[in-house]
Amino acid sequence: NAGVTQTPKFQVLKTGQSMTLQCAQDMNHEYMSWYRQDPGMGLRLIHYSVGAGITDQGEVPNGYNVSRSTTEDFPLRLLSAAPSQTSVYFCASSVDRRQAFFGQGTRLTVV
Amino acid sequence: RKEVEQDPGPFNVPEGATVAFNCTYSNSASQSFFWYRQDCRKEPKLLMSVYSSGNEDGRFTAQLNRASQYISLLIRDSKLSDSATYLCVVTSTGANNLFFGTGTRLTVIP
Repeated sequence: NAGVTQTPKFQVLKTGQSMTLQCAQDMNHEYMSWYRQDPGMGLRLIHYSVGAGITDQGEVPNGYNVSRSTTEDFPLRLLSAAPSQTSVYFCASSVDRRQAFFGQGTRLTVV
Repeated sequence: RKEVEQDPGPFNVPEGATVAFNCTYSNSASQSFFWYRQDCRKEPKLLMSVYSSGNEDGRFTAQLNRASQYISLLIRDSKLSDSATYLCVVTSTGANNLFFGTGTRLTVIP
């Protein structure tokens, strides 16, 4: 049982490049979310989805897009990478909105 | 004001010691409370939920004080393997996300 799988684990981008962080879960959870974690800031919610076809913005959505075409997948797209988006990104899924199961994270550096 | 505030530490304690962490939350409507554990360069994992009546899981005890809007975690007989960052998490009725504190780092020293 894989749980929540994120790819890639590490990525270096140049300013202005775009990319997609992949997230997949095999637990049939309806609720999925993306967080970023920065030193001294804690985890902050970027976008979330309460089910296939439904997405909404979290606390820090600017510069990111998401889609939820299936229950299993919830990719995060960086439209035009900026150094301020250097961070560790975590995808999470849950049965309800409380206990979250996290992927292993993606360490992104934008130069 | 942040939704959840924690003392970042670090807390350095010897093996066998008892250590306590506190966290405060700003939204009096918060409904659910948790402690997550995050090891270095790993993802957060649920340690335990926190209930108004208090709850215990082995060496770990969690307490909630709604009147003062704080949550505590007590670790007894600390082990080297307890070294990690402990994240305080709250959520509110109708809210669609978890609010995380910045975490408190614990290092247990041999």
